[in-house]
Amino acid sequence: NAGVTQTPKFQVLKTGQSMTLQCAQDMNHEYMSWYRQDPGMGLRLIHYSVGAGITDQGEVPNGYNVSRSTTEDFPLRLLSAAPSQTSVYFCASSRTGRKNTEAFFGQGTRLTVV
Amino acid sequence: DQQVKQNSPSLSVQEGRISILNCDYTNSMFDYFLWYKKYPAEGPTFLISISSIKDKNEDGRFTVFLNKSAKHLSLHIVPSQPGDSAVYFCAARGTGKLIFGQGTTLQVKP
Repeated sequence: NAGVTQTPKFQVLKTGQSMTLQCAQDMNHEYMSWYRQDPGMGLRLIHYSVGAGITDQGEVPNGYNVSRSTTEDFPLRLLSAAPSQTSVYFCASSRTGRKNTEAFFGQGTRLTVV
Repeated sequence: DQQVKQNSPSLSVQEGRISILNCDYTNSMFDYFLWYKKYPAEGPTFLISISSIKDKNEDGRFTVFLNKSAKHLSLHIVPSQPGDSAVYFCAARGTGKLIFGQGTTLQVKP
């Protein structure tokens, strides 16, 4: 079982460059989300989606775009990378509904912007 | 404004003793609370959860307590084992979003 797959695992960008972090899940989960982890800040929600075609902003959405054209994929786009976006990014998926709230996480993408 | 707070960045306990990790929240609309465990270079993994209509949930060595009036939850690990050494995140669900705290690094000494 693949679960949640993130690519790439590591990436170095120059300031101003753009890139897309990929996230795919094979559990047919409706809910997908992106978090960034920074020292002392925990996991902060960037964007989330409750289903294909529906996205919404989280706690720290600025500088990031998302789209959800299929149930399986939820890419995160950085249009013009900044050093403040240096972080570890995690994608997660879960079923919606009151009981099935457990979120499954990918292995993370470590991004450095120089 | 941090809606979910873990005020202790780190905790060190002796093997076999109890570990107590704490979490406070501000939003009374949260309806589900979860604890996640994270090892270095891995994604967080689900540990245990509790609905807002309960005050306790137990799973083996792990017990989560919820005090709604105080907006406080805690995770008890008894007995603690060296393999429990990791970062623990509490999380709360509200309006479809899962909000995490800052994390507490637990070190269990042999």
